Amino acid sequence: DQQVKQNSPSLSVQEGRISILNCDYTNSMFDYFLWYKKYPAEGPTFLISISSIKDKNEDGRFTVFLNKSAKHLSLHIVPSQPGDSAVYFCAASARYGGSQGNLIFGKGTKLSVKP
Amino acid sequence: EAQVTQNPRYLITVTGKKLTVTCSQNMNHEYMSWYRQDPGLGLRQIYYSMNVEVTDKGDVPEGYKVSRKEKRNFPLILESPSPNQTSLYFCASRRLAGVNGELFFGEGSRLTVL
Repeated sequence: DQQVKQNSPSLSVQEGRISILNCDYTNSMFDYFLWYKKYPAEGPTFLISISSIKDKNEDGRFTVFLNKSAKHLSLHIVPSQPGDSAVYFCAASARYGGSQGNLIFGKGTKLSVKP
Repeated sequence: EAQVTQNPRYLITVTGKKLTVTCSQNMNHEYMSWYRQDPGLGLRQIYYSMNVEVTDKGDVPEGYKVSRKEKRNFPLILESPSPNQTSLYFCASRRLAGVNGELFFGEGSRLTVL
């Protein structure tokens, strides 16, 4: 049973436009959410995170929105650049309930930004 | 430079030949973990360690062993590798255990079992 779902395996956007990557989760104990970016032949790198006490967190061109009632989060990249082309993983963790902060990852969405 | 180092980066082996993938971090992190990445399946946790001599199973531990004798090292052991363990493996660490926070990942080890 997948606890973190990224239902779009791929997304293609034009340079300069907005990229919106979506993520859904099922475990109501999750209280911390992260996005990672992964280039080929490299390890995942942390991009941005949000605690469940917030509904928005912004860092430069990247904004993460959290809708707890819908158990949904999204990553917005504005404006998108060709260098943003990568696989993006959504991850979630729960400090309590026995999960001990372990990160559960989605399957990833491959973003392609066309010049 | 703060980093998580994995070795080897690439390895081709045969079924049943024991192998170890090493992982070392230089950040004095408490928490370490191993993940495997497979097409269409994302990143799945194999084992994790909350501190020295404290390890526990993740979601896909079958066929793997780990040890944490020193804080900086967390090797992944495949006692008798099988073709279904062909995968891309990532070691990761975090400063504190038992709390939320970002993980720092190594560059990955691509393993092929024939």
